[in-house]
Amino acid sequence: QKEVEQNSGPLSVPEGAIASLNCTYSDRGSQSFFWYRQYSGKSPELIMSIYSNGDKEDGRFTAQLNKASQYVSLLIRDSQPSDSATYLCAVRTGGGNKLTFGTGTQLKVEL
Amino acid sequence: GAVVSQHPSRVICKSGTSVKIECRSLDFQATTMFWYRQFPKQSLMLMATSNEGSKATYEQGVEKDKFLINHASLTLSTLTVTSAHPEDSSFYICSATAHGAEAFFGQGTRLTVV
Repeated sequence: QKEVEQNSGPLSVPEGAIASLNCTYSDRGSQSFFWYRQYSGKSPELIMSIYSNGDKEDGRFTAQLNKASQYVSLLIRDSQPSDSATYLCAVRTGGGNKLTFGTGTQLKVEL
Repeated sequence: GAVVSQHPSRVICKSGTSVKIECRSLDFQATTMFWYRQFPKQSLMLMATSNEGSKATYEQGVEKDKFLINHASLTLSTLTVTSAHPEDSSFYICSATAHGAEAFFGQGTRLTVV
């Protein structure tokens, strides 16, 4: 079992819809969770961080964390074509600084 | 978010030469910096973790004598690809974090070895 799992996609949603991206992780001791966006040919950009169970909202983005289910998700409301990118889930475990990344989910927002 | 600057953004070098890539945290002190490699359409692959003032910790399968990492200050880490070969051509990306907080990425360096 991979440490951080994501569906590779592509996930296609129409413009204006809600895009839902999911991530599961294997280490119950994980404390910090991050979502990054990566456009083709560019480096990842931090979108959201979440540390406690529940929802965290920032603009059109909502991160959801459920530690009991070892599940973290990212919702993008009112999806725009500019949101088309690969979304990487990252998890930090224990007391170390190292992040473990999922393989990413490709999102396509269609006109 | 915090700013991490990576330089150069693109480099072409001849086979057998060495290339140095710099990663700077511009507005915070990075206690830890990470170096990644990414091949087209593949995920990030962590190469090594470096803490200021100590030797880098390399991931399994990464040759430490080929990929030299120096983290001499809290704002600068360098990756030197020694005796580069065409198979080393890739997208190299650094990231930096302070005391286990959020990690921010540099712009990446696209290395082409000819």
